[in-house]
Amino acid sequence: QKEVEQDPGPLSVPEGAIVSLNCTYSNSAFQYFMWYRQYSRKGPELLMYTYSSGNKEDGRFTAQVDKSSKYISLFIRDSQPSDSATYLCAMSAANNDMRFGAGTRLTVKP
Amino acid sequence: GAVVSQHPSWVICKSGTSVKIECRSLDFQATTMFWYRQFPKQSLMLMATSNEGSKATYEQGVEKDKFLINHASLTLSTLTVTSAHPEDSSFYICSARDNSRGTIYFGEGSWLTVV
Repeated sequence: QKEVEQDPGPLSVPEGAIVSLNCTYSNSAFQYFMWYRQYSRKGPELLMYTYSSGNKEDGRFTAQVDKSSKYISLFIRDSQPSDSATYLCAMSAANNDMRFGAGTRLTVKP
Repeated sequence: GAVVSQHPSWVICKSGTSVKIECRSLDFQATTMFWYRQFPKQSLMLMATSNEGSKATYEQGVEKDKFLINHASLTLSTLTVTSAHPEDSSFYICSARDNSRGTIYFGEGSWLTVV
């Protein structure tokens, strides 16, 4: 079993839809949870950063962490074609060892 | 703007030569930097963790003599691919952990093509 599981998609939605991206993990030591957006042929860009459980909102993006279920989510409201990218979840324990999901390819169609 | 600068963004080299890639944190200090490799349509694969002033920690299966890492300052880590071969052609990405905030930022990546 991988430490971090993420459905690679691809996921295709119409413009304006709400997008839900998810990851599950097995290592209960993970405390830091991040979502990155990666456009084709570019380095990943940090979108959301959450410590421990709870919700965090930033504009159209909401990150949720449920440590009891070992499940994290990223919601994108009013999705735009410019949101089309690969979204990577990432998490780490206090020892700086970060693990990534496989990434979900998202396409938002006009 | 970018907080982690990676250079060069792309490089083509001949088989058997060595290539150096630089990773700089622009406005924060980073005791720890990470080097990844990414193949098309695949996720990031951690190659090594670079710690300022000490030897890098390599992931299993990564040849430390082939992928030389130096982290001589709190803002610069370098990856040198020695005696490059076509199978080393890939997208190499670095990231740096901001000492003060704990967040990790990525560079733009470096495309290496070995011919």
